[in-house]
Amino acid sequence: DAKTTQPPSMDCAEGRAANLPCNHSTISGNEYVYWYRQIHSQGPQYIIHGLKNNETNEMASLIITEDRKSSTLILPHATLRDTAVYYCTPDSNTGNQFYFGTGTSLTVIP
Amino acid sequence: EAGVAQSPRYKIIEKRQSVAFWCNPISGHATLYWYQQILGQGPKLLIQFQNNGVVDDSQLPKDRFSAERLKGVDSTLKIQPAKLEDSAVYLCASSLKPQKAFFGQGTRLTVV
Repeated sequence: DAKTTQPPSMDCAEGRAANLPCNHSTISGNEYVYWYRQIHSQGPQYIIHGLKNNETNEMASLIITEDRKSSTLILPHATLRDTAVYYCTPDSNTGNQFYFGTGTSLTVIP
Repeated sequence: EAGVAQSPRYKIIEKRQSVAFWCNPISGHATLYWYQQILGQGPKLLIQFQNNGVVDDSQLPKDRFSAERLKGVDSTLKIQPAKLEDSAVYLCASSLKPQKAFFGQGTRLTVV
């Protein structure tokens, strides 16, 4: 399974875009990139996933580089409620197993 | 739609005692996971079920941990005997295969 590298922490001003990077240089060709977040004292929550193309949903956008070795999660207008730990985790979508690293702790500042 | 239900929310036991956690996944979700999350770390997969069969239990410490999923619905995770290092949050998740996982709120276990 691919390993991931994420910055341990980031700050973002409320209302600004938060860009969270993830390196997954050993990702396999059939592995999707999933992003989850975990708000304090809650279980992780699914945000978005993608294979090759950029994806957007009501929560966020996902930009995947052409070589698929890295991706960026974009929260377009961060709010205080977006303060959480964000995890990227490659998954084959057949084994459907999610392996989480230590993630990025995002703090949205008023 | 009801989410993944877990109980209890909190549990404090002494070392060498036994403890059990219960999980009720989202209706219709064939895949069920148990994760262990130690403070400051990401969740670590312990075991994955597909219906009532085990897909992966390679990271389950089988000398003290056991899990079952009777009839492919509810699941229980047991620790016997508990050690201090088992203090963690135990998360249950379920998914429609192959799709995103939905997590419960977890059970916080403290072993003293």
